Amino acid sequence: NAGVTQTPKFQVLKTGQSMTLQCAQDMNHNSMYWYRQDPGMGLRLIYYSASEGTTDKGEVPNGYNVSRLNKREFSLRLESAAPSQTSVYFCASRLDRVGELFFGEGSRLTVL
Amino acid sequence: EDQVTQSPEALRLQEGESSSLNCSYTVSGLRGLFWYRQDPGKGPEFLFTLYSAGEEKEKERLKATLTKKESFLHITAPKPEDSATYLCAVQASGGSYIPTFGRGTSLIVHP
Repeated sequence: NAGVTQTPKFQVLKTGQSMTLQCAQDMNHNSMYWYRQDPGMGLRLIYYSASEGTTDKGEVPNGYNVSRLNKREFSLRLESAAPSQTSVYFCASRLDRVGELFFGEGSRLTVL
Repeated sequence: EDQVTQSPEALRLQEGESSSLNCSYTVSGLRGLFWYRQDPGKGPEFLFTLYSAGEEKEKERLKATLTKKESFLHITAPKPEDSATYLCAVQASGGSYIPTFGRGTSLIVHP
């Protein structure tokens, strides 16, 4: 019963490097989300995909890109990492545009 | 703009000492208010959804209530395993359908 799976769990990057965070869900959910969580800031939405084939910006999209590869997978790409992107990233999904979110375990990213 | 404020930021209780966490919200038409629990190093885990003022839901030692301006998460006779961060989120009935999260209350229950 995997739910939402994120990879990698930990990553250290140097400033300017690129990387992609992967997310997959096995619950046949239509909507998927990427959040970042920083101390004292709570969860902030980066990008979301309300349904397969659509993506939209959230509260803090600058420096990120996303791809909804298929109904199961939603990836987050950092093209040129900056120290300000050091954070814990969570992928979440839900059946539609309403209802509770199901979160992955998180990906802890450090940019030096 | 939807806003969610949780208080207190941190709460320390002795085992068995009941208390309440608060979630105040401002939203243009509430579609749902959600409570989540987050353990250290883990993703948030869904607890409850409340839809209308006067609604209450319970799960073990937790009880969530809702008014037109705020929600309370009551913890009765807490145990150390209830220690976690509790997050509140609201979703408006129109617009982008994006839930807005509060910053959470960190609860520590001492044995």
